[in-house]
Amino acid sequence: DIVLTQSPALAVSLGQRATISCRASQSVSTSSYNLMHWYQQKPGEQPKLLIYDASNLASGIPVRFSGSGSGTDFTLTINPVQADDIATYYCQQSRELPLTFGSGTKLEIK
Amino acid sequence: EVQLQQYGAELGKPGTSVKLSCKVSGYNIRSTYMHWVNQRPGKGLEWIGRIDPANGNTIYAEKFKSKATLTADTSSNTAYMQLSQLKSDDTAIYFCAMELRGLDYWGQGVMVTVSS
Repeated sequence: DIVLTQSPALAVSLGQRATISCRASQSVSTSSYNLMHWYQQKPGEQPKLLIYDASNLASGIPVRFSGSGSGTDFTLTINPVQADDIATYYCQQSRELPLTFGSGTKLEIK
Repeated sequence: EVQLQQYGAELGKPGTSVKLSCKVSGYNIRSTYMHWVNQRPGKGLEWIGRIDPANGNTIYAEKFKSKATLTADTSSNTAYMQLSQLKSDDTAIYFCAMELRGLDYWGQGVMVTVSS
């Protein structure tokens, strides 16, 4: 199985940039796609897709969210961070089954 | 608008089974994969498996092969998951999710509590 590694928490000041990383145990990229996706989950809610295929903004997601990366290293950036962005962020790969998720990064405000 | 509706909460005794439903509106499930994901209290997301409703083909995570059974009814546009031989360790929120690019749409989740 592909293991995705995320840092447990990140503290950022409002209005600043947050950079959340995800490292895969093997490449999740094909010749055409980078099969890494990002989700936001607030307490008591279901996850919400933010970014698909590493860098594509999902429908209705604010442009302050962006994603980058390829191969084994991926990044979710939130700039500028707003109070509503307090949540846990998960990466997920679909390069191969079983689908796997990172353990989540909890975004906190300094 | 695409919506995935999961209903209520479930309380199951150890050794019994529960069957969860996920009714989809706004999209024909024949054109997608339906996935199930769980989240134990205070923990992260764990993939259980997926079904192709068009042909009933299923794939499960190894640890859920004897635990979960995924089915789908295309006439009612509903996906189902049965969890068997419930143990306390199965206590979790269970989400259904629909795949278009990533897991684009999610149900609100059903809390399954296993207790005698």
